[in-house]
Amino acid sequence: ILNVEQSPQSLHVQEGDSTNFTCSFPSSNFYALHWYRWETAKSPEALFVMTLNGDEKKKGRISATLNTKEGYSYLYIKGSQPEDSATYLCAFVGRGSTLGRLYFGRGTQLTVWP
Amino acid sequence: DTGVSQDPRHKITKRGQNVTFRCDPISEHNRLYWYRQTLGQGPEFLTYFQNEAQLEKSRLLSDRFSAERPKGSFSTLEIQRTEQGDSAMYLCASSPGGLTNEKLFFGSGTQLSVL
Repeated sequence: ILNVEQSPQSLHVQEGDSTNFTCSFPSSNFYALHWYRWETAKSPEALFVMTLNGDEKKKGRISATLNTKEGYSYLYIKGSQPEDSATYLCAFVGRGSTLGRLYFGRGTQLTVWP
Repeated sequence: DTGVSQDPRHKITKRGQNVTFRCDPISEHNRLYWYRQTLGQGPEFLTYFQNEAQLEKSRLLSDRFSAERPKGSFSTLEIQRTEQGDSAMYLCASSPGGLTNEKLFFGSGTQLSVL
């Protein structure tokens, strides 16, 4: 069993605040890291797939960085809006399997107050 | 709309009954996945198909669980003799390629409640 840890578990911020979350994963046997956003009553939606150490990805006000050597990824949201309220999940793909399995963390639940 | 669709959205059943869920992936996607999420946990991998071949199955899946993907199109997940511990959200996803480069496209899930 691979441990993927996310922190914090939940976060409440005011509209306009910038925020960030952490995802920790095993640094050995790394293949890829995924980030998903899951809004209540909707389907999880992919944000990023990251594979290279030092990778930085950006989508609008959301960005992510990856450090495969130390086993962590940060997700940043700049100028949070109420529509950013969701659970943010990271998931790890490891070597040595069929590469069809994602190991998910428990997620960070973000609430943005207007 | 050509997204991933799951049916039913909700299922309430009594302990001991059999249930079957269906997933229709995005038509061009040859890979299909089933995950399960219980309260307070992240989604847990159940099984994975490439076309009609079931390539990996989690040890979480007891013999009461079976999944099929005939002809490499839609998939079904059957749970026999349901138990209260089977209550969860069952998510289906598809992708056009491997997870080292491709993201998962998820359906809305089937929420199962076993009474």
